[in-house]
Amino acid sequence: EVQLVESGGGLVQPGGSLRLSCAASGFSFSSYWMSWVRQAPGKGLEWVANIKQDGSDKYYVDSVKGRFTISRDNAKNSLYLQMNSLRAEDTAVYFCARVPDAANIWFDPWGQGTLVMVSS
Amino acid sequence: EIVLTQSPATLSLSPGERATLSCRASQSVSSYLAWYQQKPGQSPRLLIYDASNRATGIPVRFSGSGSGTDFTLTISSLEPEDFAVYYCQQRSIWPPITFGQGTRLEIK
Repeated sequence: EVQLVESGGGLVQPGGSLRLSCAASGFSFSSYWMSWVRQAPGKGLEWVANIKQDGSDKYYVDSVKGRFTISRDNAKNSLYLQMNSLRAEDTAVYFCARVPDAANIWFDPWGQGTLVMVSS
Repeated sequence: EIVLTQSPATLSLSPGERATLSCRASQSVSSYLAWYQQKPGQSPRLLIYDASNRATGIPVRFSGSGSGTDFTLTISSLEPEDFAVYYCQQRSIWPPITFGQGTRLEIK
């Protein structure tokens, strides 16, 4: 069974940092692009970042560029999101999701999500 | 950035009825549009990709159509478990990958 399990969320003060993890199982992790998508409380979905199979290409939404870094460890079947200089508007549930490839960007499946709250 | 506008914001229907949800793009996305279903407290689930292809395990009552700027998700006969929020997403021109704001399908 394909499974994605996020962890690392929590309460952090504005300006703080947090590192999210996503553990993948049930498929060949190193063969897929991976993504982070977030959802603010009561709001819609927002794509955050994508990373290529070998980590050589990374893309971000403008609002997180220079603050967030997506990475992966294929030996550990894990995806990461390092979040620095966090702002109140970063408060959201963060989902990791599998992407078939750069030419077929849809998200399937999704993890259960991890909640990040940025507040003083 | 391609903006996706979904309509209506809320759709109230009864089980057994036909649901038609719309997604309009600010510029052509060819057929590079996907649809997702999200139930309360759950993560989204892929329903349709490339406008009209059902994802694995998705019931045949779900169908997608359209190309260019206008797309439709149709649920032929609503089951109780279909009441949820539906999002469209484009991959034609990215970054950024963008989603619509969602349509809430509620029981009448």
